[in-house]
Amino acid sequence: GNSVTQMEGPVTLSEEAFLTINCTYTATGYPSLFWYVQYPGEGLQLLLKATKADDKGSNKGFEATYRKETTSFHLEKGSVQVSDSAVYFCALSDSLRGSYIPTFGRGTSLIVHP
Amino acid sequence: EAGVAQSPRYKIIEKRQSVAFWCNPISGHATLYWYQQILGQGPKLLIQFQNNGVVDDSQLPKDRFSAERLKGVDSTLKIQPAKLEDSAVYLCASRGTVNTEAFFGQGTRLTVV
Repeated sequence: GNSVTQMEGPVTLSEEAFLTINCTYTATGYPSLFWYVQYPGEGLQLLLKATKADDKGSNKGFEATYRKETTSFHLEKGSVQVSDSAVYFCALSDSLRGSYIPTFGRGTSLIVHP
Repeated sequence: EAGVAQSPRYKIIEKRQSVAFWCNPISGHATLYWYQQILGQGPKLLIQFQNNGVVDDSQLPKDRFSAERLKGVDSTLKIQPAKLEDSAVYLCASRGTVNTEAFFGQGTRLTVV
């Protein structure tokens, strides 16, 4: 079946540091890949996505590249801010039998200090 | 465009009581999902609807959980009777036919005491 593995957190960084959150996946088909962000007390918001191999998703300074050869979709940001503190979820959605069922990783908490 | 609406935002009940959650998806979205998110974990799919039909409910504990989407729009998720381990955030999401991603509501935080 489908699965997503994320690095464990929390990840603690100082403001303006470089961020990497690792994500690898297992899928039977040709999935679309996503990063969602969850701020305290809120639901999940889509941060970025990539729908095919070698696509790069980007938004708000965050980037992730769909690497089929390594089954990875690592999240990066060159300079984090305190406001980026949140929980980040890697997810995939596979169009198996025409039904897109999002499968999520456990989430990685990011804490950014001033 | 209005997002996915859920109510209530918070609910505290005693074990063995029943509870219901309501979701109104984004207008025109045929696919609706209910997820359970236990503290510190990722969301886990409970059930997926396509219009008013169930696509996948393999992870739904059917002895106590039920869900319906009678007119293919709003949906309700019910737990009866609740157990302590049902304490979690229940997330509703919807997806349109042109999207690969799901859009989430703010969730209902359930505490069973």
